[in-house]
Amino acid sequence: SAVISQKPSRDICQRGTSLTIQCQVDSQVTMMFWYRQQPGQSLTLIATANQGSEATYESGFVIDKFPISRPNLTFSTLTVSNMSPEDSSIYLCSVGGYFGYTFGSGTRLTVV
Amino acid sequence: EDKVVQSPLSLVVHEGDTVTLNCSYEVTNFRSLLWYKQEKKAPTFLFMLTSSGIEKKSGRLSSILDKKELFSILNITATQTGDSAVYLCAVVGGYGGSQGNLIFGKGTKLSVKP
Repeated sequence: SAVISQKPSRDICQRGTSLTIQCQVDSQVTMMFWYRQQPGQSLTLIATANQGSEATYESGFVIDKFPISRPNLTFSTLTVSNMSPEDSSIYLCSVGGYFGYTFGSGTRLTVV
Repeated sequence: EDKVVQSPLSLVVHEGDTVTLNCSYEVTNFRSLLWYKQEKKAPTFLFMLTSSGIEKKSGRLSSILDKKELFSILNITATQTGDSAVYLCAVVGGYGGSQGNLIFGKGTKLSVKP
């Protein structure tokens, strides 16, 4: 199965600023998924990132707040923009296929 | 609306006990059901189930899927303190632009006491 390198591992950010999270996959994949896990909650899909097209966002998530880039088949970034304390969460990227779904190591974001 | 429901939400047992975790689902365009173990940040893959009635085993863990009744169970025998974690059930479903994404349950928090 694919191996995903995600960074940063954690960050503490001031409200109103932005943070970009990166995921690098060791093989080419068509779709990458971005999830958010708020404290004490399960994982919620933010968007699906396809190479060569706009990301598809789930209800409640918008591109202005969570812009995503997918420049090639092994890399993607998620930016959390104009952060507020409510954005404090774990953010995870994932790739999937017939072998199952693999996650990056996660980014623990704290907004103060 | 697609949903995945896990029960119980939390469970406290003693080492050596056997536990059964439950997952039921209502998902459009079902493809497969996955179980994960989450200890810190990233969920660790345990099983992927696509066919009914075929048990998958890995050491003390096993899982089975019932596609008629729309549920799965995860069994852990002879539990150890290292089994303490949140166990997540997820179903691959969805359609349109989100096809293939995972829909997660809320998880079962398992605590194994020495």
